[in-house]
Amino acid sequence: SQQGEEDPQALSIQEGENATMNCSYKTSINNLQWYRQNSGRGLVHLILIRSNEREKHSGRLRVTLDTSKKSSSLLITASRAADTASYFCATDANTGNQFYFGTGTSLTVIP
Amino acid sequence: DAGVIQSPRHEVTEMGQEVTLRCKPISGHDYLFWYRQTMMRGLELLIYFNNNVPIDDSGMPEDRFSAKMPNASFSTLKIQPSEPRDSAVYFCASGLLDEQFFGPGTRLTVL
Repeated sequence: SQQGEEDPQALSIQEGENATMNCSYKTSINNLQWYRQNSGRGLVHLILIRSNEREKHSGRLRVTLDTSKKSSSLLITASRAADTASYFCATDANTGNQFYFGTGTSLTVIP
Repeated sequence: DAGVIQSPRHEVTEMGQEVTLRCKPISGHDYLFWYRQTMMRGLELLIYFNNNVPIDDSGMPEDRFSAKMPNASFSTLKIQPSEPRDSAVYFCASGLLDEQFFGPGTRLTVL
């Protein structure tokens, strides 16, 4: 069964605004990752955050992790039209090397 | 490096036919994953290999599905016989423990 669940399912914003997506999961994890998928393409790894980390930055991306609430958020600042894509969180379920992906948030950035 | 290579990119077949999907991982990656993506079920892990050895195939839907990795540079996912409900995009990904690199996917349509 899927481990992560993203919220909202769809998000539409104006270019320049910030976009926030959330991910909730069910069991303890070692790592949580965020991926982006452009329409018709494979997933691209964005960032990994470990269970002992609370916040991580990469360019315009900011990821937080709250293990007590079993949730993570992905913030994209100063969004661009090129950020239009689906965003997935993936968790490792603390049991092995495979990652379980959520259902994704579809982000549309309007120019 | 050309990234993960999958073939064919599109496959249309009739129910009952055998389908073979192919994947060439990125050189040097120890892990190889096969995923299936549908609107209804999202991204599902089917099976993954470590150093050419299948580690977890619990996601393989039924005996009609089989996967092999005869060497470090090639893997196949076979469906025999295929059914309309197998229609999906199948992704191969390779990587290390903390990051997966996805191929462009094979869009399979079973009529």
